[in-house]
Amino acid sequence: EVQLFQSGGGVAQPGGSLRLSCEASGFTFVNYAMIWVRQVPGRGPEWVSAISGTGISKYYADSVRGRFTISSDRSKNTVYLEMNSLRVEDSALYYCAKDARYNSSGYLTGTYYFDFWGLGTAVSVSS
Amino acid sequence: IVMTQSPDSLAVSLGGRATIDCKSSVNILSFSNKKNYLAWYQQRPGQPLKLLISWASIRESGVPERFSGSGSGTDFTLSISNVQAEDVAVYYCQHHFGSPLAFGPGTRLEIK
Repeated sequence: EVQLFQSGGGVAQPGGSLRLSCEASGFTFVNYAMIWVRQVPGRGPEWVSAISGTGISKYYADSVRGRFTISSDRSKNTVYLEMNSLRVEDSALYYCAKDARYNSSGYLTGTYYFDFWGLGTAVSVSS
Repeated sequence: IVMTQSPDSLAVSLGGRATIDCKSSVNILSFSNKKNYLAWYQQRPGQPLKLLISWASIRESGVPERFSGSGSGTDFTLSISNVQAEDVAVYYCQHHFGSPLAFGPGTRLEIK
């Protein structure tokens, strides 16, 4: 059974930092891209960042590039999102999700859609 | 690529039919594999998204047959027949035609 267990998040001041974690189980971690998506209540989800199963390839949304860093630890089947220089507009519920498509290349294709999601973790940035 | 959806919300009677439209700002039909890079999700209150349909019309395992997807190119439709109380949710389309991927703004389905 695929499970994605999220932790981290919380409250930070503008300019501060937070780290999110997403521990995966039930599938071969190295063969699937993982992504972070955020959602403000009442609005559509916004893609934030993606990482290939090998950790070699990473993509970022323009809104977070240079401030957020995605990484993974294959020994722990865990994906991280390090969020620095936080802004008020980064406040949202952050979800990790698993790409539905098997990928043996180790590189991101940019054509992912998501068959399993974590329960989400709240990030609030406020002074 | 920008995804739009209509209507913003709709109310359907139990047993009725719901139709949700999704439009992509560019053609998301691949000429090489003839696939439409479009997924549909359901989000019930307080829950994460659940994948319903991929490649515009392929229903995921375990999704009831009353959910169906159609369309091609830039215009897509999610249809829900025989609407049940558990279908109350927000429905999102998502293109996966390349990075950055994008979701639509959502359509809220309620029971009349």
